[in-house]
Amino acid sequence: DAGVTQSPTHLIKTRGQQVTLRCSPKSGHDTVSWYQQALGQGPQFIFQYYEEEERQRGNFPDRFSGHQFPNYSSELNVNALLLGDSALYLCASTSRDRKNSPLHFGNGTRLTVT
Amino acid sequence: AQRVTQPEKLLSVFKGAPVELKCNYSYSGSPELFWYVQYSRQRLQLLLRHISRESIKGFTADLNKGETSFHLKKPFAQEEDSAMYYCALYPGAGSYQLTFGKGTKLSVIP
Repeated sequence: DAGVTQSPTHLIKTRGQQVTLRCSPKSGHDTVSWYQQALGQGPQFIFQYYEEEERQRGNFPDRFSGHQFPNYSSELNVNALLLGDSALYLCASTSRDRKNSPLHFGNGTRLTVT
Repeated sequence: AQRVTQPEKLLSVFKGAPVELKCNYSYSGSPELFWYVQYSRQRLQLLLRHISRESIKGFTADLNKGETSFHLKKPFAQEEDSAMYYCALYPGAGSYQLTFGKGTKLSVIP
């Protein structure tokens, strides 16, 4: 079991550009959440996808969008990048059918905006 | 809105000494509380959750609803316990947003 996998591991972009981050959930999981972790902070919830729909969203602007595919994998898109978007982006998966199933995290994508 | 506070950014203890990592929360309902741990160069992983009431790697945590706390404790620290620890709150009631504290870095001195 590979667990949650994310790609790429590192990314450098210029302010104003757009970026796409990818995530494959742990085998057996159908729900994917994205978190942003700035330096020295805990992870902050961006949104969650289930059945290919955004089910819940945290306090992030519309520049942050996502998608979930039929195989449960997911993408996080960020448009019009700002310097403040530099952070570690974590993907986490869980199974909605299993009550109280905990989140399993990937290793993250380190995004640097210059 | 829910909030999780971990008052210590860094906690240093000697090997064999007791450890207590503090976590306080604010939420009006009945949340579920977790401790996640991140060892050096590893992913964030679940350490324990209050509903399980179990001990993992010698760590325990008791939910105190009166004091809205969920402190993590271990009677004898080991060097391999050195890591970043995050307390997290899950409100339930249809919400799937896990709210994390800022984390405490535990350093166990040999």
